[in-house]
Amino acid sequence: DIQMTQSPSSLPASLGDRVTITCRASQDIGNYLRWFQQKPGKSPRLMIYGATNLAAGVPSRFSGSRSGSDYSLTISSLESEDMADYYCLQSKESPYTFGAGTKLELK
Amino acid sequence: QVQLQQSGTELVKPASSVKISCKASGYTFTSNYMHWIRQQPGNGLEWIGWIYPGNGNTKYNQKFDGKATLTADKSSSTAYMQLSSLTSEDSAVYFCATNWFAYWGQGTLVTVSS
Repeated sequence: DIQMTQSPSSLPASLGDRVTITCRASQDIGNYLRWFQQKPGKSPRLMIYGATNLAAGVPSRFSGSRSGSDYSLTISSLESEDMADYYCLQSKESPYTFGAGTKLELK
Repeated sequence: QVQLQQSGTELVKPASSVKISCKASGYTFTSNYMHWIRQQPGNGLEWIGWIYPGNGNTKYNQKFDGKATLTADKSSSTAYMQLSSLTSEDSAVYFCATNWFAYWGQGTLVTVSS
């Protein structure tokens, strides 16, 4: 199975900060990488697909990038509504696998 | 608009089975894969498998082979997941999702307890 190593597991940050979350794939997944945001008691929300494409309705302060087997989600200027858990997902090969998650919280 | 409406909370006994549903609307049910995902309490997300309602083809995460069975009813645009031989480990929220995870159901909480 493809392992997605996500870091950090917890990210304390202040409003207005630029923050980055990273997932490293254990094998080549091309651009078959998605990012999700999940708030407590809610369903995950697709934020980024194809590693770099913003999903519909997602604010432009979110962006996705790739460098080799490292995939990153960046929030350019943190807002209070961005406090949530974030997960990456590879869908290149079955079984599709999620990263372990990053809890983004206020410092 | 695309909507996935899942069935309600289930409290079930160990060793029993449960079947949860996901009713789709707002898109062509038969032309989109339906994925199922598990989230155990306080934990992350696990992909269980998908079903293609157009022809009933399925793909499972080997971890859930024998545990989960995915079906779909084209006439009612509803996908189902049956979970069998339940143990406390199966207590979780289960989500359905379609259009390559762009749309999600609200989740169904399954609690396994005697």
